[in-house]
Amino acid sequence: DGGITQSPKYLFRKEGQNVTLSCEQNLNHDAMYWYRQDPGQGLRLIYYSQIVNDFQKGDIAEGYSVSREKKESFPLTVTSAQKNPTAFYLCASRPLKAGANTGELFFGEGSRLTVL
Amino acid sequence: KQEVTQIPAALSVPEGENLVLNCSFTDSAIYNLQWFRQDPGKGLTSLLLIQSSQREQTSGRLNASLDKSSGRSTLYIAASQPGDSATYLCAVRDGDYKLSFGAGTTVTVRA
Repeated sequence: DGGITQSPKYLFRKEGQNVTLSCEQNLNHDAMYWYRQDPGQGLRLIYYSQIVNDFQKGDIAEGYSVSREKKESFPLTVTSAQKNPTAFYLCASRPLKAGANTGELFFGEGSRLTVL
Repeated sequence: KQEVTQIPAALSVPEGENLVLNCSFTDSAIYNLQWFRQDPGKGLTSLLLIQSSQREQTSGRLNASLDKSSGRSTLYIAASQPGDSATYLCAVRDGDYKLSFGAGTTVTVRA
């Protein structure tokens, strides 16, 4: 089945460590996104990518890094520079070509990161 | 900067009642608006996507309307069921990449 797979589902990190969250999609979507969700707030955009080997910062990119070496994959690294990394992280993708589903965003199941 | 507001933050209704969820946005120059459902600890599931040229979209018991000029969208869920209990979020797209999300309305349908 087509979809977006995020792993791990739960992750615990000690302060000062970098961690990488995986996001893989088999929907053949061009654009991929990382969002952060905190209780009582709307989703906030961390990074996005519309094409392989290219990505842009979103609203809260500080302390995060990404890569886009393959169309299917968009991993997110939460670095030790991120001051408050405990959150629920969501990966999303959407097609960019014209069509009935242009613009529709699809999400993975999320990864919950807790800093101990 | 686009601001998206969903009021109320939480709603509790008895089973069978119709649900009305509101979403308002400050900048009417949008490409589309999307409604999502989120279960606790899960990702977002797309419910309906309304393009800026459309007034409404329907899927089963769900109907979403869009009034761009007044900056409002409403999601109607007919004959609610306990399985409809979830958080419902709306998001507006006003750029090639930019989606702005509301904080959501958490719905509880009482059996």
